[in-house]
Amino acid sequence: AQSVTQLGSHVSVSEGALVLLRCNYSSSVPPYLFWYVQYPNQGLQLLLKYTSAATLVKGINGFEAEFKKSETSFHLTKPSAHMSDAAEYFCAVRGNTGNQFYFGTGTSLTVIP
Amino acid sequence: GAVVSQHPSRVICKSGTSVKIECRSLDFQATTMFWYRQFPKQSLMLMATSNEGSKATYEQGVEKDKFLINHASLTLSTLTVTSAHPEDSSFYICSATRDRGIRGTDTQYFGPGTRLTVL
Repeated sequence: AQSVTQLGSHVSVSEGALVLLRCNYSSSVPPYLFWYVQYPNQGLQLLLKYTSAATLVKGINGFEAEFKKSETSFHLTKPSAHMSDAAEYFCAVRGNTGNQFYFGTGTSLTVIP
Repeated sequence: GAVVSQHPSRVICKSGTSVKIECRSLDFQATTMFWYRQFPKQSLMLMATSNEGSKATYEQGVEKDKFLINHASLTLSTLTVTSAHPEDSSFYICSATRDRGIRGTDTQYFGPGTRLTVL
């Protein structure tokens, strides 16, 4: 079965600092992995997705993630944090038998001015 | 493209009443829609998967008689919370995809969510 684990439920960074949000996956087959962002009282917005093409995936708002099979990881990074990046971030893996997505527990990102 | 809307955005109801939440794909045909539930400060929990014209598939532990899902058209799915109780209060989010559930790469597009409060 597919699953993802997000390490760190809360991450705080200074404005302009590197953002690193961790996600590890468990999958019996090559996974399709996603990062979503959620602002308060809103739905989820896709940041980027990995679909077995390039291992370094670039997304919106300057975010990118690298798929590392050897580490079973798909960490999300951004070189320089902006105040508007403060939000909840979810890593997700697509189910093996259908379109179901399974989400991690989320990481709340705080950006300190 | 790929916009999903939900209505209503917020609803408050009395215990014992039923509430219907609509999920619409505005600019594409959604062969598959999903319903999630999210508790405060927690992740999304998949409740059910619905394919247009067929019965929904519920995740383990989700009461199908309590959470009725109808996906009557390629652009509309509804979730009806029957005989709602305070413990049903939550944030309900729907999503939609284009493909038919065959393992592929299509993305889920999420609606803005519906905040249900049961008094």
